[in-house]
Amino acid sequence: DGGITQSPKYLFRKEGQNVTLSCEQNLNHDAMYWYRQDPGQGLRLIYYSQIVNDFQKGDIAEGYSVSREKKESFPLTVTSAQKNPTAFYLCASSSNYGYTFGSGTRLTVV
Amino acid sequence: EDKVVQSPLSLVVHEGDTVTLNCSYEVTNFRSLLWYKQEKKAPTFLFMLTSSGIEKKSGRLSSILDKKELFSILNITATQTGDSAIYLCAGNAGNNRKLIWGLGTSLAVNP
Repeated sequence: DGGITQSPKYLFRKEGQNVTLSCEQNLNHDAMYWYRQDPGQGLRLIYYSQIVNDFQKGDIAEGYSVSREKKESFPLTVTSAQKNPTAFYLCASSSNYGYTFGSGTRLTVV
Repeated sequence: EDKVVQSPLSLVVHEGDTVTLNCSYEVTNFRSLLWYKQEKKAPTFLFMLTSSGIEKKSGRLSSILDKKELFSILNITATQTGDSAIYLCAGNAGNNRKLIWGLGTSLAVNP
């Protein structure tokens, strides 16, 4: 079945450590996105990529980095520069017919 | 600035009630408006609406867009406890498929 796989589902890290969240899709979608979701704040766009080897900052890119070396993969690194990294992170990909989301990664930084 | 505003932010109803969720939008180069349902994890797609004004239906759910008023509603009839979720509305702007998201409406259906 086609879809988006995010891993891991839950992640714990100590403050000051970088951490990378995985996102893989087998839908053959060109565009991929990373969102952060906090209670009461809806979905906020971190980074998006419309094509391999190209990506753009979203609304809250500071403290995050991404790469898009393959069409299927769009990993997100949460760096130590991100001041409030604890959140629910959603990856998505899109075609002309809409978005498909992964099941999310809940990151907790202690 | 592009924006999508949903109302109400939260709603509590009893099983069997009918609810209407609202979404207003101001989106440059508007292409479509999307409704999603989010339970515990990933949002799942409900409807995509365009300026054609055609109503979309799926079982007890229906949605329509008013292109003049820049407004969409999502109706749920005969609500069930399984309808409890956050309902998200998003506007599709321009050619880059970037979505402008509302904050969502949190719906709780009590037995």
